[in-house]
Amino acid sequence: NAGVTQTPKFQVLKTGQSMTLQCAQDMNHEYMSWYRQDPGMGLRLIHYSVGAGITDQGEVPNGYNVSRSTTEDFPLRLLSAAPSQTSVYFCASRRRDSGYTFGSGTRLTVV
Amino acid sequence: AQRVTQPEKLLSVFKGAPVELKCNYSYSGSPELFWYVQYSRQRLQLLLRHISRESIKGFTADLNKGETSFHLKKPFAQEEDSAMYYCALSGLDKIIFGKGTRLHILP
Repeated sequence: NAGVTQTPKFQVLKTGQSMTLQCAQDMNHEYMSWYRQDPGMGLRLIHYSVGAGITDQGEVPNGYNVSRSTTEDFPLRLLSAAPSQTSVYFCASRRRDSGYTFGSGTRLTVV
Repeated sequence: AQRVTQPEKLLSVFKGAPVELKCNYSYSGSPELFWYVQYSRQRLQLLLRHISRESIKGFTADLNKGETSFHLKKPFAQEEDSAMYYCALSGLDKIIFGKGTRLHILP
């Protein structure tokens, strides 16, 4: 039972490049979310999903896209990376009646 | 509006002393509250849910709807408690987090 798996663990991008952060869970959880963690800002919700085919915006969605074609996967796409997107990104999943299980995070640096 | 406030960015406590990490929330319905802990450079781990009323690693938290608070308490701090602690609120479809409190246990 792998839980929530995020790849890659580290990434350096140049401004303007695009990339996809991968997130997969094997617990058949309905709910999945992406957060970014920045010093002094806590965790801020980027996008979330309540099931396959359903996504919605969180607090800081600009510059990011998501899709949820399967229950297991919830990739986060950066369309045109900016230095302001330098952060640690966490994916999390849960059942409706439970707390989140978090992935180990992706540390992204945009130069 | 759904909001979680952790008023302290940093809390320093001597080993063996009591700990209280404050959390206040704003939510119009019946909230579900959580505490998460993050040890250095690791993933967040669920520490407590208010509905389970468990005690994990000696920590407890009681939901006070009158004061809209969910403070985390431990009677005797241990050095291994040093970590970042996040209070979180579950609404209809999403969970939002406070900005976190760094707990530093002094020897």
